[in-house]
Amino acid sequence: QQQVKQSPQSLIVQKGGISIINCAYENTAFDYFPWYQQFPGKGPALLIAIRPDVSEKKEGRFTISFNKSAKQFSLHIMDSQPGDSATYFCAASMNSGYALNFGKGTSLLVTP
Amino acid sequence: SAVISQKPSRDICQRGTSLTIQCQVDSQVTMMFWYRQQPGQSLTLIATANQGSEATYESGFVIDKFPISRPNLTFSTLTVSNMSPEDSSIYLCSVIKAGSGANVLTFGAGSRLTVL
Repeated sequence: QQQVKQSPQSLIVQKGGISIINCAYENTAFDYFPWYQQFPGKGPALLIAIRPDVSEKKEGRFTISFNKSAKQFSLHIMDSQPGDSATYFCAASMNSGYALNFGKGTSLLVTP
Repeated sequence: SAVISQKPSRDICQRGTSLTIQCQVDSQVTMMFWYRQQPGQSLTLIATANQGSEATYESGFVIDKFPISRPNLTFSTLTVSNMSPEDSSIYLCSVIKAGSGANVLTFGAGSRLTVL
């Protein structure tokens, strides 16, 4: 059973545009929500993470928006660049534990 | 952050055989894990590799199929036993290093197995 549902499965954005990836969860015990970025042939790497005590976290061009009541969180990539083309995974864990429940991933392509 | 080396990076295996994947970390880490990434699917935790003792397996994964060793703080192996085409996947080693933050997982590049 998929505990974290991610959409869309794939996304094409023009350079300079905004990329938005959405995730939803059911388990209200989740208290840690990271996003991982994976390039072909590489392992996933932590991009940005948020805890439910804040509604937004921004790091450079990457922003997580968190809606606790809706049990949803999203990744926004501003001014998307071709170098951002990768697969993005959202995840969630409870009790700040290490057992991450990953979404199925979103393949992002940023066209020149 | 820790640097993880996995071997082999890819392999093609025959049905019914077994293959051992090695994970070497450049520094001591507190926790080591093995994940599976099936084509078009999310990453699934197979087990936590415990130093000097039996691994802790997640639901749906058993020791007979995925024996794991972790003889020290920097090395672990995962064996995929009696392989079938359904085992074709990318197997990823990941670690948590002390002081990196409780949930900051670092992943290796993965071992892509194709079972014929």
